[in-house]
Amino acid sequence: DQQVKQNSPSLSVQEGRISILNCDYTNSMFDYFLWYKKYPAEGPTFLISISSIKDKNEDGRFTVFLNKSAKHLSLHIVPSQPGDSAVYFCAARRTGQNFVFGPGTRLSVLP
Amino acid sequence: NAGVTQTPKFQVLKTGQSMTLQCAQDMNHNSMYWYRQDPGMGLRLIYYSASEGTTDKGEVPNGYNVSRLNKREFSLRLESAAPSQTSVYFCASLQATYNEQFFGPGTRLTVL
Repeated sequence: DQQVKQNSPSLSVQEGRISILNCDYTNSMFDYFLWYKKYPAEGPTFLISISSIKDKNEDGRFTVFLNKSAKHLSLHIVPSQPGDSAVYFCAARRTGQNFVFGPGTRLSVLP
Repeated sequence: NAGVTQTPKFQVLKTGQSMTLQCAQDMNHNSMYWYRQDPGMGLRLIYYSASEGTTDKGEVPNGYNVSRLNKREFSLRLESAAPSQTSVYFCASLQATYNEQFFGPGTRLTVL
C-alpha cells in the first residue's frame, strides 16, 4: 500500500499558466516533505521542501502548500516555463526514518 | 566537485549473471542510499547505509547485496540477475542538515 500517492500520472499546462501538482499521504507521522524534479536520463534533483510545522513555503516561482488535516500537499509553479517539463516526485519522511517517494507526475509545459 | 557519480550508465545482463553497480560521493555525507525506479512505482529503497561501516535493508532488498567500502563509496551487487531486476538504479547521499538527498545520474539495467 503506497504511503505517498500522486494520483495524476501526467499533466499538461500552457506556458505562462500555473501548474499545480498534487500529492497525498497516509502516514500522519510524516513531518517533512520534499519535491524532486527529474529530467530524462538524469537523477532527481531537489526542488523545494516543507516542514510539518508550516503550511506554505515559497522559493521563486515554486510554492509548496501543506494541508495536514487532509494529508495533502501541492506544488504550484507560476508562471510555468517549457524548461519545467519533467517528472516531479513528492517525498515524505518521519524524523529518523527514510524517505518515501510517490510514483511521480509528468509535467508537460506547452509553448 | 562531482557530487554523486555512478558507473556504469547502461548494462545488459543475461539471467543468472552477476554485476556490481558502483557509486561514489565527494560531499562528505554520512548516509548513502540505493533506489530502483520502475514505471508507476516511484523510487523504492533497496538498501541504505547510515554511516561508514553500517548497512540496512530498505523496502525491496531481495536479490541484492551492498558494501559500504568507505565514506565515499557504496556499491550494489546483483549475485544472480533476474528479469525482474530490470530497472533504473539510483544512488543518493544525504545532506543531513538540510534533509536533502543528492542523486547520481542512474544506471539503466536490462536483464534478458
